[in-house]
Amino acid sequence: AQSVSQHNHHVILSEAASLELGCNYSYGGTVNLFWYVQYPGQHLQLLLKYFSGDPLVKGIKGFEAEFIKSKFSFNLRKPSVQWSDTAEYFCAVNANTNAGKSTFGDGTTLTVKP
Amino acid sequence: ETGVTQSPTHLIKTRGQQVTLRCSSQSGHNTVSWYQQALGQGPQFIFQYYREEENGRGNFPPRFSGLQFPNYSSELNVNALELDDSALYLCASSLLAGGIGPKNIQYFGAGTRLSVL
Repeated sequence: AQSVSQHNHHVILSEAASLELGCNYSYGGTVNLFWYVQYPGQHLQLLLKYFSGDPLVKGIKGFEAEFIKSKFSFNLRKPSVQWSDTAEYFCAVNANTNAGKSTFGDGTTLTVKP
Repeated sequence: ETGVTQSPTHLIKTRGQQVTLRCSSQSGHNTVSWYQQALGQGPQFIFQYYREEENGRGNFPPRFSGLQFPNYSSELNVNALELDDSALYLCASSLLAGGIGPKNIQYFGAGTRLSVL
């Protein structure tokens, strides 16, 4: 069975600070990896995804993530956060043969202070 | 906007009742996955429907059932509601090729918030 662990439950940063949110998963096979963002009162939006190839993936709004297979990690980064990045962030994984059946972490709430 | 719409947005039921939630998938998509998101937790996979057939199920009891229609819209039915069923129910639509489609991107609806009293 798959599982996803997001280590930071709540992160508070000032504007322009750098962000790194941790995500580790457990699954022995080939995986697809995702980061989603959920702004207050809005639906889940895909920030970025990894299927194969370059382990450093770039997404929308200046976010990027690095897949480190040996560490089963897919950490999310942003060099300089803005107040508008305040939201909840979810890491998700599915086995390559189980498209659309994702296992999510419990999320990290990011608060950016102006 | 994702093109995925869910109805109703909010619902209040009492324990033991039955509920039906609806999802209209994005145009061109043939697959709907349903998730339950309890307060303070991430979404948890309930089941997936692909071309009107159940195509995988998470760790949920049989009183959670679903349907997918020829236009690929979907329903989630929950019988004998329990207090712990109170949650945000999300549907996500996607396009699978051949039932597997490893490079699959899901588009989520805004969800139905169910409260069981």
